[in-house]
Amino acid sequence: SSELTQPPSLSVSPGHTASITCSGDKLGDKYACWYQQKPGQSPVLVIYQDSKRPSGIPERFSGSNSGNTATLTIRGTQAMDEADYYCQAWDSSTAVVFGGGTKLTVL
Amino acid sequence: QVTLKESGPALVKATQTLTLTCTFSEFSLITTGMRVSWIRQPPGKALEWLARIDWDDDKFYSTSLKTRLTISKDTSKNQVVLTMTNMDPVDTATYYCARGSGDGYNFFFDYWGQGTLVTVSS
Repeated sequence: SSELTQPPSLSVSPGHTASITCSGDKLGDKYACWYQQKPGQSPVLVIYQDSKRPSGIPERFSGSNSGNTATLTIRGTQAMDEADYYCQAWDSSTAVVFGGGTKLTVL
Repeated sequence: QVTLKESGPALVKATQTLTLTCTFSEFSLITTGMRVSWIRQPPGKALEWLARIDWDDDKFYSTSLKTRLTISKDTSKNQVVLTMTNMDPVDTATYYCARGSGDGYNFFFDYWGQGTLVTVSS
């Protein structure tokens, strides 16, 4: 299957660690990336090639990918991190596939 | 600074054909490795990838929408055009264009346009 599954929502307290998962068949054999989207804005790339951060993305954002699951980790979560997060991968049969998105609430 | 901007009609009627244009700057689709995709997002819903065109004119389409989509490029104008036929109200969405980077399985979108909302009336 080329689908990517994410939890619809996740809540985290400020200063704590948020871990958002993305599951897909043999996802660890591919590369995963992650986007942050705030209301009314375009998505922003926060992690690519499983664990690399683009310039300007805070160090508190990190990623990993193994087996069937990729994980976006946000350490020391801040109120500004409240957003929707989408994982994405390239699949040989379906080309680009996005996860269903996770709404992260910081409270 | 790389920028992309979508343009096209805000409102189309059901059964009509939608034509969207992505105009970009600070990169060129004649440069090896450059790619542009279209992605859409219905209100309150997830991102959905539609199509991709590469510097060498390779094209890729969403499996579920491929019969309705055509992507093309005009390198002299730094534009990518997407047409979608037989529009339906369920196609109401914000349509984004984005630059693709990486290669093979390592493919991601490093720059996105602001998006354009297209509403399909019945």
